[in-house]
Amino acid sequence: GDSVTQMEGPVTLSEEAFLTINCTYTATGYPSLFWYVQYPGEGLQLLLKATKADDKGSNKGFEATYRKETTSFHLEKGSVQVSDSAVYFCALSDRGGGFKTIFGAGTRLFVKA
Amino acid sequence: DTAVSQTPKYLVTQMGNDKSIKCEQNLGHDTMYWYKQDSKKFLKIMFSYNNKELIINETVPNRFSPKSPDKAHLNLHINSLELGDSAVYFCASSQGTSGGYEQFFGPGTRLTVL
Repeated sequence: GDSVTQMEGPVTLSEEAFLTINCTYTATGYPSLFWYVQYPGEGLQLLLKATKADDKGSNKGFEATYRKETTSFHLEKGSVQVSDSAVYFCALSDRGGGFKTIFGAGTRLFVKA
Repeated sequence: DTAVSQTPKYLVTQMGNDKSIKCEQNLGHDTMYWYKQDSKKFLKIMFSYNNKELIINETVPNRFSPKSPDKAHLNLHINSLELGDSAVYFCASSQGTSGGYEQFFGPGTRLTVL
């Protein structure tokens, strides 16, 4: 079945450091890919998405490129801020999976001032 | 102008009790969901409704029963609560069921069973 694997956290960075959170997926069809972010005490909210191969999603300085050849959708940001501290979830939704959204286990990011 | 709202935000109760969590969305979406998030932040789908019809029903104990009185509401009733039911429960909605739609999440209900 469909699955999403993302790097284990926590990830701890200093302010202005470069961020990469790895995400790879397994799907039977051509899924849409998402990154959601969960700030402390809140629900998840969409950060960015890509619906087909080679698409790049971007928002708030974060970006991720849909790589079909490597089945990956890694999240990057050039310069993190303390306010980026949160849990990040990679997710996919696939017709073959009945359009259920499958979430990765989440990666907690701490950014130190 | 809250998009997806849940009540209550916190729920503390004894084992064996019955409780309900309510969810409402004002986005005009057709599809609503219930998720359970455990203490390690792992998120698991429980149920999904599309136009008041159950479309996803994961392996969830039948003590959990969703009810959708209309497209804007999806409530979750839990009978005979157990310690393992302690978690944060999230309601979400989306415009449709096909793959590209994002989901909008409520703020969560933290359930603690003593």
